[in-house]
Amino acid sequence: GQNIDQPTEMTATEGAIVQINCTYQTSGFNGLFWYQQHAGEAPTFLSYNVLDGLEEKGRFSSFLSRSKGYSYLLLKELQMKDSASYLCAAMDSNYQLIWGAGTKLIIKP
Amino acid sequence: NAGVTQTPKFRILKIGQSMTLQCTQDMNHNYMYWYRQDPGMGLKLIYYSVGAGITDKGEVPNGYNVSRSTTEDFPLRLELAAPSQTSVYFCASSYSRESSGVFYEQYFGPGTRLTVT
Repeated sequence: GQNIDQPTEMTATEGAIVQINCTYQTSGFNGLFWYQQHAGEAPTFLSYNVLDGLEEKGRFSSFLSRSKGYSYLLLKELQMKDSASYLCAAMDSNYQLIWGAGTKLIIKP
Repeated sequence: NAGVTQTPKFRILKIGQSMTLQCTQDMNHNYMYWYRQDPGMGLKLIYYSVGAGITDKGEVPNGYNVSRSTTEDFPLRLELAAPSQTSVYFCASSYSRESSGVFYEQYFGPGTRLTVT
């Protein structure tokens, strides 16, 4: 079957760095998306990886290893506004997104 | 440019009632999607459309119907509402060229919070 695994909750300190991991098993693979979702709001796009390696976008970076079925989202210089859920989603061979349950990130001062 | 809009924002239905959730996008995206999100769970795809006149089932289509008569609109119909349909419903759209293997990010509407009692 198809499956996405990511930690349920993580806690980090303002100004620090946090890495959110995601492992996936899908029928075929056409890329890995990361979305941010604040409580009570819609998901918003953060990053897309289809090739192995690290993609950097400001304070956020995303890494993909296709051979390991593994990705991570790295958040640097954490701010209180980064408190949110982070959703990992893999695109399968039918070009459908398979979503993880999300990682709730709590930022403490 | 409003993006993806959904109405209503909130709704309470009685068991057995029907309703239509509206979704409109103004970005000329060819793909549109309906998801439901239950607490602590990932988004589940209900139906999707690759263009006007074309719709297909997702992972959890039972109890729902859709239509896509225009590029902009993609309404979701709930027939005979059941408590299991209590959820947050998100509509999304994206531009994609499947023939070229080009897929861009999905843009989400603000969601409809539906309670069936």
